[in-house]
Amino acid sequence: DAKTTQPNSMESNEEEPVHLPCNHSTISGTDYIHWYRQLPSQGPEYVIHGLTSNVNNRMASLAIAEDRKSSTLILHRATLRDAAVYYCILRDRSGGSNYKLTFGKGTLLTVNP
Amino acid sequence: DAMVIQNPRYQVTQFGKPVTLSCSQTLNHNVMYWYQQKSSQAPKLLFHYYDKDFNNEADTPDNFQSRRPNTSFCFLDIRSPGLGDAAMYLCATSRDLAGGINEQYFGPGTRLTVT
Repeated sequence: DAKTTQPNSMESNEEEPVHLPCNHSTISGTDYIHWYRQLPSQGPEYVIHGLTSNVNNRMASLAIAEDRKSSTLILHRATLRDAAVYYCILRDRSGGSNYKLTFGKGTLLTVNP
Repeated sequence: DAMVIQNPRYQVTQFGKPVTLSCSQTLNHNVMYWYQQKSSQAPKLLFHYYDKDFNNEADTPDNFQSRRPNTSFCFLDIRSPGLGDAAMYLCATSRDLAGGINEQYFGPGTRLTVT
């Protein structure tokens, strides 16, 4: 799997937007960009994924750079329940080891009240 | 309406005493996975089942085994737990294997302590 780079930690205030960056300069044309998060003492949770176009769902938005070498997960209004480790993961849709999630170190998001 | 259930949430075992962790799912998914997450580390895949087909990761120790008697249940067996096996064990499911589009659903995990 292609590698991703994320900041170790970020801090936000409650009810403010949060932009979590991810660099994936070696992304291939068949890689999807997935985001998962892991709340304290819980299993990881799927957040969103995309290929080329920006994506929105009830949890977040995913903005993908035109060259696909970076992406940003956007939480529109952070709440205390959004405090978690956020993982950006590339998954190849064409086969290989794409069945598994290869987690990096992720970004620890702290939300201040 | 929990979808991936793991029991127990906390398990204590003695060094060398076999232990079994359980996972069940109500999603009727084809694939079930077991991940190991040690303290302050990211989860790491141990193995997965696609239906009845078992697939071991190359670096998973022989001490770890798994059983899937039916679609809903999957078990993780640790034959002789060592202190280094203390970790959170996460069960996950997905509808299919195609990684690009199939998200994985995780259970809450079982935290294993080895004394």
